[in-house]
Formats: sequence, structure tokens, C-alpha cells
Amino acid sequence: NAGVTQTPKFRILKIGQSMTLQCTQDMNHNYMYWYRQDPGMGLKLIYYSVGAGITDKGEVPNGYNVSRSTTEDFPLRLELAAPSQTSVYFCASSYSGDQPQHFGDGTRLSIL
Amino acid sequence: ILNVEQSPQSLHVQEGDSTNFTCSFPSSNFYALHWYRWETAKSPEALFVMTLNGDEKKKGRISATLNTKEGYSYLYIKGSQPEDSATYLCASTSGTYKYIFGTGTRLKVLA
Repeated sequence: NAGVTQTPKFRILKIGQSMTLQCTQDMNHNYMYWYRQDPGMGLKLIYYSVGAGITDKGEVPNGYNVSRSTTEDFPLRLELAAPSQTSVYFCASSYSGDQPQHFGDGTRLSIL
Repeated sequence: ILNVEQSPQSLHVQEGDSTNFTCSFPSSNFYALHWYRWETAKSPEALFVMTLNGDEKKKGRISATLNTKEGYSYLYIKGSQPEDSATYLCASTSGTYKYIFGTGTRLKVLA
């Protein structure tokens, strides 16, 4: 019973590098989300998706891109890494907007 | 209120004390209010989802109430135990289904 799986768990990037944070869920959830958590702050929504082929911006989308080609996968792409993107990233999924979200274990990303 | 606000930011209580926290949220276009428990080095775990004004939910020693007209929810913990130590997050969902999280209340229960 995997739930929401995020890879990698940790990563260090150099400024200007690109990478993709992977997220997959096996609960057949329609809704998927990407958040970032900065020290002393709550969770900020980056992007979300209400189904395959549908994505929309959250509060802090700049510098990120997403795609949702399947129900299971919702990768987050950083094209030109900047120090301001150093954070812990959480992926989550839910069946619908009034159902609880299930979170992955997070990806700790440092950009130097 | 445009954002989700939680108070207090942190508190320490003695084992056995009862405590409560507040979550304030925008009352317009309200869809659902969520409470999560977030232990250090783990990911948030759902406690309650509430949608109707006057809703009350209970799970063991933890309960929550909802007032959608005035835009607030209370989370209560009865007889706090050290294992209750965590950050308690609330999140409001509007008609657009975007979750807006508060910054959380950090609870430390002292043995």
C-alpha cells in the first residue's frame, strides 16, 4: 500500500541547473498537488491538478512547471534553479476537493 | 479575512491539560475545512474534514467544530499527552478547490 511516493528524498543542485521532482500515487485520486514548505512558514501551493490533462497555478507557481499525462503521475519541473527555490517540497493527492489529502514524505532540495 | 490564520503560533502545556487552537478562514465561497497533524520529520496526516456549518468531529481525545458563517474552526485536545506534540495545520478549500493552509499551531506537551 504505497500511497503517495516522491523521489528523490534529497537533492543538491547548482544555480541554473534543471531537475524534475517525481510524484506518483496508487489510490486512483483525481486531485494532485505540489506544495513547498519554507522555514517558519506553512505550506504554499505551487500547482494543482484536478485530473489527467488538467493543471492550474497555485499561490507560488513562478519558476516551476507541471504536467499530468496520467492519473498516477504529477511531476514538478524546475527549469533554472535559483537559491530562492531551496525548500522542502511535498506532493499530495485526494479523491476530491472535500476529501483529505494524502501526502508524500517530501523532497528536501538545496540550491547552491 | 483573505488568508487562513491560526492561533496561537505555538504553545506548551503540561501532560493532562486540555487545550484548544483557532483557525480563521475566508467565509465567502467556502467549500471545506481540513485539520492535519504534522509530526517533525514526517508528512501531514489528515484529522478531520468539515463542510457544514455547526459540524463537530471527534477522534479519540481530539475534536473540532466549524462555524462557516463567521469563518472559524476550533480544535480541542482533551487530556494532552506527550505523543500529541506536533504542529496542527488547518486548510480552507474554496469553490476553486485550491487549498490554502495556515502556518500551523506548534504544540509541545511536557511530561
